Amino acid sequence: AQSVTQLDSHVSVSEGTPVLLRCNYSSSYSPSLFWYVQHPNKGLQLLLKYTSAATLVKGINGFEAEFKKSETSFHLTKPSAHMSDAAEYFCVVSRLSGGYNKLIFGAGTRLAVHP
Amino acid sequence: DGGITQSPKYLFRKEGQNVTLSCEQNLNHDAMYWYRQDPGQGLRLIYYSQIVNDFQKGDIAEGYSVSREKKESFPLTVTSAQKNPTAFYLCASSGIELGGYTFGSGTRLTVV
Repeated sequence: AQSVTQLDSHVSVSEGTPVLLRCNYSSSYSPSLFWYVQHPNKGLQLLLKYTSAATLVKGINGFEAEFKKSETSFHLTKPSAHMSDAAEYFCVVSRLSGGYNKLIFGAGTRLAVHP
Repeated sequence: DGGITQSPKYLFRKEGQNVTLSCEQNLNHDAMYWYRQDPGQGLRLIYYSQIVNDFQKGDIAEGYSVSREKKESFPLTVTSAQKNPTAFYLCASSGIELGGYTFGSGTRLTVV
């Protein structure tokens, strides 16, 4: 069965410092993995996705994530945080279930960025 | 621009009332989904539909109903049987490719 664990419920960084949001997954086969961002009272926006191509995936707004099969991890990083990055981030794994593409969400990590 | 429109943005319901949340997409996506979001719990799937006139229960379907009479529309009714309906509701759609979903901006439902 597929599952996702986001290791930190809250992360706080200073503006201009690196961001690391950690995600571990469990999958019985090669997974598709995603990171979504949600600003308060908004829908979810896709940041990036991994679908078995390059293991280092670049997304929007300077974010990237590296798929590490040996560690079953898909951590999200950004070299320098911006105030506008403050939001909730979801790590997601996709699996086929009953013939459709089902997304399984982690519980989320709330990122705070301080001046 | 293509996207998903949810309405209303905020909705208040009295105890014992049914309310319907609207979701419309112009992305020509076949599949549509309804999720419920509670603080600290991520997203939980309520119902999904892969094609018109067909839909399936998700993980927390009790107290909810849906219809899919048109490809573009997937309304969700929160019935009086739903014991704790206060939450943020998100609609999403996806195409045939194995990839992520496109989400609407959500409806916040509050029971008063």
